[in-house]
Amino acid sequence: AQTVTQSQPEMSVQEAETVTLSCTYDTSESDYYLFWYKQPPSRQMILVIRQEAYKQQNATENRFSVNFQKAAKSFSLKISDSQLGDAAMYFCAYRMRDDKIIFGKGTRLHILP
Amino acid sequence: GAVVSQHPSWVICKSGTSVKIECRSLDFQATTMFWYRQFPKQSLMLMATSNEGSKATYEQGVEKDKFLINHASLTLSTLTVTSAHPEDSSFYICSPPRYGYTFGSGTRLTVV
Repeated sequence: AQTVTQSQPEMSVQEAETVTLSCTYDTSESDYYLFWYKQPPSRQMILVIRQEAYKQQNATENRFSVNFQKAAKSFSLKISDSQLGDAAMYFCAYRMRDDKIIFGKGTRLHILP
Repeated sequence: GAVVSQHPSWVICKSGTSVKIECRSLDFQATTMFWYRQFPKQSLMLMATSNEGSKATYEQGVEKDKFLINHASLTLSTLTVTSAHPEDSSFYICSPPRYGYTFGSGTRLTVV
């Protein structure tokens, strides 16, 4: 069975600095999608970035980028130039073949002014 | 594209009553809809999948009789919490498979 593990329940970063959130997963599939979602206090789930497993190039969306290590089953999220609006819960997620999504337990990110 | 409208945003109900949550796809047609539940400070857990034209499929451990899920049309999926109890208080979110990986805005249910 697929699993997603986020080992950092909480993290803090100074505004304008860079922070990396960790995520590991386990799967026997060779082709899949990985995601990072942001959940602010409003609790609206917002897609931050996605990575297709067959693509070796790491995905990038503005200040957000991932370090995808397929062999190690690692999928970390780097946030550059952290902003106060980045404060939220971040979930790493894995999409299975039937499109169901498995979420990690989340990492709460605090931005220090 | 792929806008999902979920209502109500929050609801308070008395124990023993039923509550219906609606999830509408506004700019696309969805033949299936995932329903997730999120307890405070926890992650999202898939409860069930509604299917247009057929019965919903439930994840292991989810009470089918308590959480009635219906897919009335290609634009409407509903979750009804029947005979609600305080332990059913939670945040419920719908999400259509594949369509932009989007989610409804969620419904906070409080049972008193």
